[in-house]
Amino acid sequence: AQSVTQLDSQVPVFEEAPVELRCNYSSSVSVYLFWYVQYPNQGLQLLLKYLSGSTLVKGINGFEAEFNKSQTSFHLRKPSVHISDTAEYFCAVVDSGAGSYQLTFGKGTKLSVIP
Amino acid sequence: ETGVTQSPTHLIKTRGQQVTLRCSSQSGHNTVSWYQQALGQGPQFIFQYYREEENGRGNFPPRFSGLQFPNYSSELNVNALELDDSALYLCASSLHDGFEAFFGQGTRLTVV
Repeated sequence: AQSVTQLDSQVPVFEEAPVELRCNYSSSVSVYLFWYVQYPNQGLQLLLKYLSGSTLVKGINGFEAEFNKSQTSFHLRKPSVHISDTAEYFCAVVDSGAGSYQLTFGKGTKLSVIP
Repeated sequence: ETGVTQSPTHLIKTRGQQVTLRCSSQSGHNTVSWYQQALGQGPQFIFQYYREEENGRGNFPPRFSGLQFPNYSSELNVNALELDDSALYLCASSLHDGFEAFFGQGTRLTVV
C-alpha cells in the first residue's frame, strides 16, 4: 500500500509571500499524485495532478508542484499567496488493489495567510 | 455538467442507531467512492462501488456498507453507530479506469 507524508501540519505565511507545502510519498513503480484543497466546511477541490510527462505541473489559482522521483517528493508551491488561499491542503497518491483505484491522503497542511 | 451532490449536509445521531448517507455522482461517472474524514485528519478510503457492486474496501468493519443504483448514485449505511464514527463523510465520483476523483461537499455526522 502507498503512503503519503505531509511534513508540516501548519504553515503561517504573510500575504504576497511565497509558500511551499511539502509532501513525500512511498516509492512505487507507477505513481499518480494529486493536491487537493479544502476550505472550511467544504469538500475537496482538485488543485493539480501528476499522471505522467513533465515533472512541473501547473494547477488552478496559481499553484504548481514538482514531481521529484529520486526524492519521492511532490511539493506544492505558490510564488505569492493571497488571503483567500487560507485553507487546508491535502497531498494524495493513487493506490490500486483488487481492481480499484483509491486515493491515500496525507494528514493535511493548514495554510494560514496573514494580512 | 452536474457535480457530485451529497445529502444531508449535517446529521446528528445517537450511539447505536443506524444512518444512511446519499450521493449523486457527476454526470457520466460510473464509479463512486466513499471516504471518512475525522477531525484533523486526511480522508480515509471506506469503499468503492462500480456496476452496483463493491469494488475495493479499506480498513472499515462490516457495519459500514453501501449500495450503488443503476443511475450510479450511491448510499453509505452505517449500523450500530459509535462515537468514533463522528466525521465528515465524503463521496467522490470518477470513471472506472480514471484516476481523477471529484468530491462532493460532504455530510457531517455527529454521534452523541
